[in-house]
Amino acid sequence: ETGVTQTPRHLVMGMTNKKSLKCEQHLGHNAMYWYKQSAKKPLELMFVYNFKEQTENNSVPSRFSPECPNSSHLFLHLHTLQPEDSALYLCASSQVFSGANVLTFGAGSRLTVL
Amino acid sequence: QQPVQSPQAVILREGEDAVINCSSSKALYSVHWYRQKHGEAPVFLMILLKGGEQKGHEKISASFNEKKQQSSLYLTASQLSYSGTYFCGTEADSNYQLIWGAGTKLIIKP
Repeated sequence: ETGVTQTPRHLVMGMTNKKSLKCEQHLGHNAMYWYKQSAKKPLELMFVYNFKEQTENNSVPSRFSPECPNSSHLFLHLHTLQPEDSALYLCASSQVFSGANVLTFGAGSRLTVL
Repeated sequence: QQPVQSPQAVILREGEDAVINCSSSKALYSVHWYRQKHGEAPVFLMILLKGGEQKGHEKISASFNEKKQQSSLYLTASQLSYSGTYFCGTEADSNYQLIWGAGTKLIIKP
């Protein structure tokens, strides 16, 4: 496979469940990102990992827990979510270098919290 | 502070032209343009850097006015495949963190 792959594509969970979203990139990039996309709102950056180290956490609630075991894989662990957390969660990767930072996105995981 | 995109939505007939604007209140280092089709990943279109030239990609081009802190995306002779939501992402400096606009939905009708 090439590009950025996200699984599952759709997830429905109750507020007491624990689930995880997975992202894998086959591009050899050194940075990975989690974004939240809600209807009619800008993309919200959640977490950034550079070379497996978390470099950004945009005041995300602790019910979202990222994990980056290596530069190709990124997880988002979910627990005790709220209905307002329902959204499309996009993973992206990039090769950070001087002058530009072009993101390659996955197709997203559509999360519904009941 | 997020950039402001305008218009929020536009409907065109195939072959017509469109302009999408992205304005920021902060001095910009770069502007990125992406397109997202329904149910798909956002796809990179082009990046404009401070001091750089106008970019072009087939019939899609963009400009970057550093003084006005504004970028415009031009779609000429639009095709059905151009339909989707266009997002601009801005960098205030070369810190690699993009701030995104809310998107412009473009619908092309035959």
